[in-house]
Order: sequence, then C-alpha cells, then structure tokens
Amino acid sequence: DAGITQSPRHKVTETGTPVTLRCHQTENHRYMYWYRQDPGHGLRLIHYSYGVKDTDKGEVSDGYSVSRSKTEDFLLTLESATSSQTSVYFCAISERTEQFFGPGTRLTVL
Amino acid sequence: DAKTTQPNSMESNEEEPVHLPCNHSTISGTDYIHWYRQLPSQGPEYVIHGLTSNVNNRMASLAIAEDRKSSTLILHRATLRDAAVYYCILRYSGGGADGLTFGKGTHLIIQP
Repeated sequence: DAGITQSPRHKVTETGTPVTLRCHQTENHRYMYWYRQDPGHGLRLIHYSYGVKDTDKGEVSDGYSVSRSKTEDFLLTLESATSSQTSVYFCAISERTEQFFGPGTRLTVL
Repeated sequence: DAKTTQPNSMESNEEEPVHLPCNHSTISGTDYIHWYRQLPSQGPEYVIHGLTSNVNNRMASLAIAEDRKSSTLILHRATLRDAAVYYCILRYSGGGADGLTFGKGTHLIIQP
C-alpha cells in the first residue's frame, strides 16, 4: 500500500470554527489532491498540488484553502466550517498515472 | 469534459466472470480510459487504464472497442472481496497534475 495517511480520521466541529485536515505521504510523489465525497455523488476534486507551494483549484474549491510547504504534507483548511462541508474527505497522491488514495477523514459540522 | 455512462448496479455470482460496461461516446483521441474501484468504507483504488489496445493486469482486463466509444472492465473470477463501486473515468493524457472526475459508478454486488 502507498504510504499515505490522513489526520484526523474523524472530527466533529461546530459551524463557524476553523478546521485543518492533514495529508501526509512517505512516497515522495509530486502530485497531491483533496477530494470530498457525499451521498449520491462520486468524489469531487477540491484542490490539488503539483509541487511545493504550487496549488490550484478544483471543481468545488469555494470555502476551502490549501497549503503545501513540504513535499510530504498537503493541508486542507476550512476557514469557517459550514454544515454543507459535512463530508468524507479523501487525499490522494500521484507521480505518473495512478492515484493512490488515503483512508479518508469523516468531518461532521454541527 | 467527455463523460462516461455506467449502469447503476450489477449483480454477479462468486467465482464467475464479471463484465462491467462503460459508454464514452464523446471520448477524444487523447483521453485515456481509467478504472478505479471503491470498497466499502475505503478510498478508491486504481484498477487499470488504457488508450486503444486491450490491457491486462493482475486485477482485471480492459477491453476497448475499436471506435473507443465504449469499454468493458473484466473481472475474470469474481470474489466477495470484489464487491465495490467501480468507476470508469476519462482522463486527458495518461497522467499528470489534473484530478480525476468521478461519476456515480457501478455498484457491483457479488452473491456467494
């Protein structure tokens, strides 16, 4: 299995609070991604990174920001969480073709 | 973006072959066909990909129509562990920075 971890694995928070999710890889892959998955939807891309400090927006980026200061870490921040951001968040890494996904973080915003 | 169409669900018996269809009639010449699957409570995992020729790996085979407007993922001998949602995804070029565009996929049910 690709060395990719996500933390926390579960989080419950309140509307309006900031939340940061962490994705950590030990594979030294260049590309990293954040997706969210909601019932009735496939995974949707939030943001991605193509190198340290190089990031770009995906399909559903509103309300999210990201940072990548090191190759191995990709952080997803919800500046002010809303109930619509309750979801399962998956991080993925890639070097060429295959994307390898982490175990996911289940976030509940009350 | 070119889109794919898959059946919502399929059912098969354990130890039998499974053929999962995918239609992509608007595929462009530079689109690769990728398949991922997602087991319950897990992240997706890569299964296979191809451009024009049929492809085989340890997990599955990918049969691509000559006009590339459809493809079929073949699991040669399904096990209970193959019960998952299977996603057919078109991706410009073989890899790179761009993310994957997931549809709703096919929910594969395996009966013992």
